[in-house]
Amino acid sequence: LAKTTQPISMDSYEGQEVNITCSHNNIATNDYITWYQQFPSQGPRFIIQGYKTKVTNEVASLFIPADRKSSTLSLPRVSLSDTAVYYCLVGTGGGADGLTFGKGTHLIIQP
Amino acid sequence: DAGVIQSPRHEVTEMGQEVTLRCKPISGHDYLFWYRQTMMRGLELLIYFNNNVPIDDSGMPEDRFSAKMPNASFSTLKIQPSEPRDSAVYFCASYGTSAPPAQYFGPGTRLTVL
Repeated sequence: LAKTTQPISMDSYEGQEVNITCSHNNIATNDYITWYQQFPSQGPRFIIQGYKTKVTNEVASLFIPADRKSSTLSLPRVSLSDTAVYYCLVGTGGGADGLTFGKGTHLIIQP
Repeated sequence: DAGVIQSPRHEVTEMGQEVTLRCKPISGHDYLFWYRQTMMRGLELLIYFNNNVPIDDSGMPEDRFSAKMPNASFSTLKIQPSEPRDSAVYFCASYGTSAPPAQYFGPGTRLTVL
């Protein structure tokens, strides 16, 4: 499984756009990049998944450069409720594999 | 659908006692996963099942831990005997073939072993 590196913590303010970058230098050809979000006292929740270029859904955007050695999760106009831990995972993409979670990025949104 | 259901939500027990955690996956999902989360070790995969059959139990810490899935709608994780270092939040997750390709996690069971 490809190892991922992401910042331990980030701070931002309500209404700002937040970008969290994840490094995955040894990503394999068959690997997808998946992001999960975890609120305190809850289980992780799927946010977005991509293979290359850009993916957007109602929650976030995921930017993946051509070499796929990194990816950036973009949260537009964050609110206090976006305070959570965000995990970047790299793997074959299907939920059929056991997920390997790193430390994640603790995002704190302030008023 | 009610999502993944876990019980109990909180469990406090004494060292040496048997603990049984329960999980009901989302109907139609044929994969079920058990994870454990602690501050020190983060989220760890313990074991997972496909069509009720254990596929990978390499994450199970030791023989004190066992997991079963007698049918498609129920799984248990048992710790016998329990130890204080087993204190953690235990999550169950399930996965099916519908999009998105995500695992759906339950609310977790917070276990405290005194």
